[in-house]
Amino acid sequence: ELKVEQNPLFLSMQEGKNYTIYCNYSTTSDRLYWYRQDPGKSLESLFVLLSNGAVKQEGRLMASLDTKARLSTLHITAAVHDLSATYFCAVDPGLTFGKGTHLIIQP
Amino acid sequence: GAVVSQHPSWVICKSGTSVKIECRSLDFQATTMFWYRQFPKQSLMLMATSNEGSKATYEQGVEKDKFLINHASLTLSTLTVTSAHPEDSSFYICSARRLAGVGTGELFFGEGSRLTVL
Repeated sequence: ELKVEQNPLFLSMQEGKNYTIYCNYSTTSDRLYWYRQDPGKSLESLFVLLSNGAVKQEGRLMASLDTKARLSTLHITAAVHDLSATYFCAVDPGLTFGKGTHLIIQP
Repeated sequence: GAVVSQHPSWVICKSGTSVKIECRSLDFQATTMFWYRQFPKQSLMLMATSNEGSKATYEQGVEKDKFLINHASLTLSTLTVTSAHPEDSSFYICSARRLAGVGTGELFFGEGSRLTVL
């Protein structure tokens, strides 16, 4: 059974700071996703990572994938308030979701 | 713009009634769609995989007679919550995987449908 663990589950940080969210998964996977969810809304796709060593960046967010370590990271650079949301990673097959990281960025 | 659309976005119903939620892929064909349920402050839980032209595949613990899934066309899947009860109140989200064209392999999510059963 595929298990996906995110850390941390909750994070409060100040604007301008950097931080990394971690996503560990238990079995071999060929695809990892990162999503953002705002309160009361559905999921917004951020990144799809397909291969070992994949790194993708969009604005202040950067995601990477290490399939050998079964680890993906989502790095936030110089956080701004607008990035406050819940972030999920999800892993194929079966699209198993982590519990999510609730991120609050304070001015 | 949205590539997967859900309808309705919010529904309130009485206990014992049935509610149908639609999920449409707007600009691509989806042989497979997925239905999730999300309770407040929790992650998404995959309920079932909807397969066009065949029976849905349900996850363990999900009652197939209660959550009826129909995938009658390549762009539409429906989830019917039958004889709904207050414990069925949740946020239901569908997704579809694009199989060709821009964004191939990527999973697109609908806007979600919030069900409240009184």
